[in-house]
Amino acid sequence: GENVEQHPSTLSVQEGDSAVIKCTYSDSASNYFPWYKQELGKRPQLIIDIRSNVGEKKDQRIAVTLNKTAKHFSLHITETQPEDSAVYFCAAKGRYGNKLVFGAGTILRVKS
Amino acid sequence: DAMVIQNPRYQVTQFGKPVTLSCSQTLNHNVMYWYQQKSSQAPKLLFHYYDKDFNNEADTPDNFQSRRPNTSFCFLDIRSPGLGDAAMYLCATSRDLTYEQYFGPGTRLTVT
Repeated sequence: GENVEQHPSTLSVQEGDSAVIKCTYSDSASNYFPWYKQELGKRPQLIIDIRSNVGEKKDQRIAVTLNKTAKHFSLHITETQPEDSAVYFCAAKGRYGNKLVFGAGTILRVKS
Repeated sequence: DAMVIQNPRYQVTQFGKPVTLSCSQTLNHNVMYWYQQKSSQAPKLLFHYYDKDFNNEADTPDNFQSRRPNTSFCFLDIRSPGLGDAAMYLCATSRDLTYEQYFGPGTRLTVT
């Protein structure tokens, strides 16, 4: 089955700097890769996603890149703000599978 | 405006006392999921319904059951809660299996 590894487990950045979180997946048939942001005690919220027919997707300060050959995808947050502080989860979904497999999560702290 | 609603938000039950958690959606999505999320961990899929078809994850304990009486509602029944079942329970929906998942606010279950 699919296995998703996420790094780093914690990340501290200064306000205004960029943050990058990386995930690798094992199932080459996976074709959908969402990123969720979860603030303390709140629901995971989808912030961006990418499908395997696209290499990069951007939404304002957030971008996701996908390297199918290497089976890894990354979340990039530019001009970080204190409100970006949260836990970020990557996930992958196989073409023939029904479920999202989540990474272990990254605690992002943006210091002002 | 709430699209995925979970009740109650906090539930306290006694060891071994059956408990039911509720999820409803206004999105008319075909798929409804139940996840268990323990502190500092990623959400773990318990099962999902595609319309009326129930799909259980292989490692979901028999103690956990689910019902979906109609498109809008889905219930999670824990027949005999143990201390290890204390967690946040998240409901999610998606239009179809290939579409993005939207999470409800969760029910935090405490077992005393």
